Amino acid sequence: AQTVTQSQPEMSVQEAETVTLSCTYDTSESNYYLFWYKQPPSRQMILVIRQEAYKQQNATENRFSVNFQKAAKSFSLKISDSQLGDTAMYFCASLYFGNEKLTFGTGTRLTIIP
Amino acid sequence: DSGVTQTPKHLITATGQRVTLRCSPRSGDLSVYWYQQSLDQGLQFLIQYYNGEERAKGNILERFSAQQFPDLHSELNLSSLELGDSALYFCASSVDIGGAIDTQYFGPGTRLTVL
Repeated sequence: AQTVTQSQPEMSVQEAETVTLSCTYDTSESNYYLFWYKQPPSRQMILVIRQEAYKQQNATENRFSVNFQKAAKSFSLKISDSQLGDTAMYFCASLYFGNEKLTFGTGTRLTIIP
Repeated sequence: DSGVTQTPKHLITATGQRVTLRCSPRSGDLSVYWYQQSLDQGLQFLIQYYNGEERAKGNILERFSAQQFPDLHSELNLSSLELGDSALYFCASSVDIGGAIDTQYFGPGTRLTVL
């Protein structure tokens, strides 16, 4: 069974600082994607960023970037210049070719302090 | 706005009752997924439909069933409801044209409260 582990239940940082959320995953598959989803207080699940396992280059979306360490099965999310609107639960998730269900971690609750 | 719609937003009902949750996928998406988010179980995959047919099943109880209609909207039916079924139910959709992994986009969810 695939597993995704987020070891930081809660984090808080000052506005404008940089924060890194950790995620590790377990798989024997070779064709998979990894995702970070954000769930703000509205409870909507919003895609933040996606990383294809076959790509060596780390994905970047504006202030959001990942550090994908394939051998270590690590997939961390870096948020630069954090903003109050970044306050949310962040879920790491994996998806494997031929098994289209998302497997989620337990989430990290991030609070941005004004 | 992801383009995935879910109705109703909130549902309050009693134990033993039956409810139906509705989902409309993004335009052009063929696959619909249902997930349950509860405090004790986290986010769990329930079931996937592709172009009207069931494709994958997860931790879905026998009291729960789903279907996808010719217009590709989907319904999740929950029956003989128990207190523990109280949760946020998400629908997600993806293009799923085959041969590749597709990103799933989530609807706003339906919050079910069983009293």
